[in-house]
Amino acid sequence: SQQGEEDPQALSIQEGENATMNCSYKTSINNLQWYRQNSGRGLVHLILIRSNEREKHSGRLRVTLDTSKKSSSLLITASRAADTASYFCATDETSGSRLTFGEGTQLTVNP
Amino acid sequence: GAGVSQSPRYKVAKRGQDVALRCDPISGHVSLFWYQQALGQGPEFLTYFQNEAQLDKSGLPSDRFFAERPEGSVSTLKIQRTQQEDSAVYLCASSVTLGRNEQYFGPGTRLTVT
Repeated sequence: SQQGEEDPQALSIQEGENATMNCSYKTSINNLQWYRQNSGRGLVHLILIRSNEREKHSGRLRVTLDTSKKSSSLLITASRAADTASYFCATDETSGSRLTFGEGTQLTVNP
Repeated sequence: GAGVSQSPRYKVAKRGQDVALRCDPISGHVSLFWYQQALGQGPEFLTYFQNEAQLDKSGLPSDRFFAERPEGSVSTLKIQRTQQEDSAVYLCASSVTLGRNEQYFGPGTRLTVT
């Protein structure tokens, strides 16, 4: 079963705008990760945030984690058409164990 | 270096046939995971190996599903007597070791059962 929900399910923006996606989960976690999946391809790891961290940056990506609300957000700044993909959050309860994925957000960046 | 590879990329099977899906993890990666992804959904965990040991198979949906990794490298996911509900993309992922949980995914095998 899925760990939680992501919203929005779909997001369409113009190139250059920022995109924010949210993820909620149900159980206590060790790490939370975000992955990207282009149509018909495998998942690509974007960023990992540990349960004792609140914010993390990587290039144009910013991830926040609120363990009290069991939620995370992924912000992509200055979006590009190449950012068009599905984005999934994934959690694990212990390091190195199975990942539990959300249902994903389909992001479309229009040129 | 080479990433995770999976074969075949596409498989069409008639209901009742057996299928075998192969995963070649990144060389040296200790952990190997199988996930099932239905259309429009996130991946769901099937099973997990550390080297050749299958440590968790709680996600396998039925006893028709079987996975092995006999030499701690290549893994095979076998589905016996396929059913239409088995149609999905099967993803394999590997990671370096238990302490690191960034998983590297293969392109998947899209299974269609007719």
